[in-house]
Amino acid sequence: EVQLVESGGGLVQPGGSLRLSCEASGFTFSRYWMNWVRQAPGKGLEWVANIKEDGSKKQYVDSVKGRFTISRDNAKDSVYLQMNSLRAEDTAVYYCARDGDPYDSSGYTDYWGQGTLVTVSS
Amino acid sequence: DIVMTQTPLSLSVTPGQPASISCKSSRSLLNSDGKTYLYWYLQKPGQSPQLLIYEVSSRFSGVPDRFSGSGSGTDFTLKISRVEAEDLGLYYCMQGIHLPLTFGGGTKVEIK
Repeated sequence: EVQLVESGGGLVQPGGSLRLSCEASGFTFSRYWMNWVRQAPGKGLEWVANIKEDGSKKQYVDSVKGRFTISRDNAKDSVYLQMNSLRAEDTAVYYCARDGDPYDSSGYTDYWGQGTLVTVSS
Repeated sequence: DIVMTQTPLSLSVTPGQPASISCKSSRSLLNSDGKTYLYWYLQKPGQSPQLLIYEVSSRFSGVPDRFSGSGSGTDFTLKISRVEAEDLGLYYCMQGIHLPLTFGGGTKVEIK
């Protein structure tokens, strides 16, 4: 059974930093691109970033470029999101999601974690 | 960025009755590889989104056959042939042909 478990969310002041983690199980992690998607309270879904199976390629939505960094550790079956210079508008539940096909940026995600809440407020 | 527009915003359906959700994209989702990169997700209350349909009309593993997807180019539809109580939640369409991946605003399905 595919499982994705996020952690690391919490309350942080504007301008602060936070590192989210997502631990995967139930599949061969090193074969899949991985994504982060967020959802502001009461709002819709926004794709944030993805990373190639070997970590050699990373892509971001414009609103987080230069502030967020996605990374992974295939030995630990984990993907991370380092978030710096946080703003109030970054407040959201952050989901980790697996790409739909192995060894390919398929354009969709098939399994999602339960999410971790990040609140940016003074 | 590709804009995804869903209608209606909300839908109240009697169990056993059909339901239909429309999704329009600002650009064609047909790729040169022959695939159309349109997907449907359901977010049940208090849960994370779950994939229902990929590439317009293929049901994901475990998705009941009362769910079906259709469409082409820029116009797509999700249909539920006979709504059940467990189908309540927010339905989102998503495009995967160009980054950033973008989602529709969501359609809330309520059960009468």
